[in-house]
Amino acid sequence: DAGVTQSPTHLIKTRGQHVTLRCSPISGHKSVSWYQQVLGQGPQFIFQYYEKEERGRGNFPDRFSARQFPNYSSELNVNALLLGDSALYLCASKDAGKGMNTEAFFGQGTRLTVV
Amino acid sequence: AQSVSQHNHHVILSEAASLELGCNYSYGGTVNLFWYVQYPGQHLQLLLKYFSGDPLVKGIKGFEAEFIKSKFSFNLRKPSVQWSDTAEYFCAVKGNAGKSTFGDGTTLTVKP
Repeated sequence: DAGVTQSPTHLIKTRGQHVTLRCSPISGHKSVSWYQQVLGQGPQFIFQYYEKEERGRGNFPDRFSARQFPNYSSELNVNALLLGDSALYLCASKDAGKGMNTEAFFGQGTRLTVV
Repeated sequence: AQSVSQHNHHVILSEAASLELGCNYSYGGTVNLFWYVQYPGQHLQLLLKYFSGDPLVKGIKGFEAEFIKSKFSFNLRKPSVQWSDTAEYFCAVKGNAGKSTFGDGTTLTVKP
């Protein structure tokens, strides 16, 4: 079975541009979460979506937005990119149908560099 | 607000040495606790988790962790490390709101 897949793997953008990152969860998983991991730090929670609805939001500005599609894949959008947005963006999925006490599976991440 | 503190940023051990990585969290309610590992060039993988019940949990590859509620701690242990345990280790806590908070990680280097 395929794990959590993210695209693209690497991306270079210029300040002020916008970016869209994509995530496909493990088949059957309805919950997707997004994290930002800056070099030298742990992942920081950005969003959680379940059944296409936002279920949680971290302390990130409104430049960050996300959505989940009927097939449970997800997009993370970041507008007006800043140098500080350079990070590894991680997507995690879980089978929330088994209850909230379930394991999250992480993708390889998208390495975003803003220049 | 929930937070996680990992005391050691970088730990260097020789093979067969014992390992203990510290993790303390702050959260007022019921928590789920996790340890994740990230091997070089690979994605985050779950080592072990605590939801309820026996506070001593065993994970993959010989790792274990003990939840001590009174100390708000969830330290990771392994009796004898191997070179292949070289990786970055993250402690995480999930509260009732479903949001997971990660520590800043501990880099473990095991010398052969």
